[in-house]
Amino acid sequence: EAQVTQNPRYLITVTGKKLTVTCSQNMNHEYMSWYRQDPGLGLRQIYYSMNVEVTDKGDVPEGYKVSRKEKRNFPLILESPSPNQTSLYFCASSLKRLGRPKGETQYFGPGTRLLVL
Amino acid sequence: AQKVTQAQTEISVVEKEDVTLDCVYETRDTTYYLFWYKQPPSGELVFLIRRNSFDEQNEISGRYSWNFQKSTSSFNFTITASQVVDSAVYFCALSGPSFGNEKLTFGTGTRLTIIP
Repeated sequence: EAQVTQNPRYLITVTGKKLTVTCSQNMNHEYMSWYRQDPGLGLRQIYYSMNVEVTDKGDVPEGYKVSRKEKRNFPLILESPSPNQTSLYFCASSLKRLGRPKGETQYFGPGTRLLVL
Repeated sequence: AQKVTQAQTEISVVEKEDVTLDCVYETRDTTYYLFWYKQPPSGELVFLIRRNSFDEQNEISGRYSWNFQKSTSSFNFTITASQVVDSAVYFCALSGPSFGNEKLTFGTGTRLTIIP
């Protein structure tokens, strides 16, 4: 079954304790992305990756790191989490980059709800 | 910088009524891509449609239709004969062309409630 998986789904942590949220897709997709969703702010893109070893900042990259060492995985790293990073996080993937004439469907993971105390 | 505005925060309509969700965008790119996503109460995000800026033909998919108007920078979404299953938060989003602006910018969403 084609899917994007995220782990963990729920996480409570404390300020400053490094954490990683994993994202994996089984569709051989090139484009992967991380978003955070906050009430009243909608979804905001954190980082995206157009292929292995190619990543770039979205609109809200501060406090986050990513890596793309393998095509299927795109982990989101919070080196020193702070309470303002409490949010719902979504990972997404699509076969090719979004900005192409031929349309691509973007598939989203189920979300990771993070609480930083 | 690109921006997407969904001025309607919440809309409620009675089942079977038609409803239009507004989306206004700003971008400096001459080529760009517009999207609509649905987030039902269960929380997952579902891709609905993608529209290229150079294709202004409106699109219909069942009860859903999209009206793209470049002159007013709008990409509105209409649900005809609404159903309770249409209750969700709907997001409009904008992306630039390849090789320069791969960011995807979302609006703040419109919460649609269909009253049985």
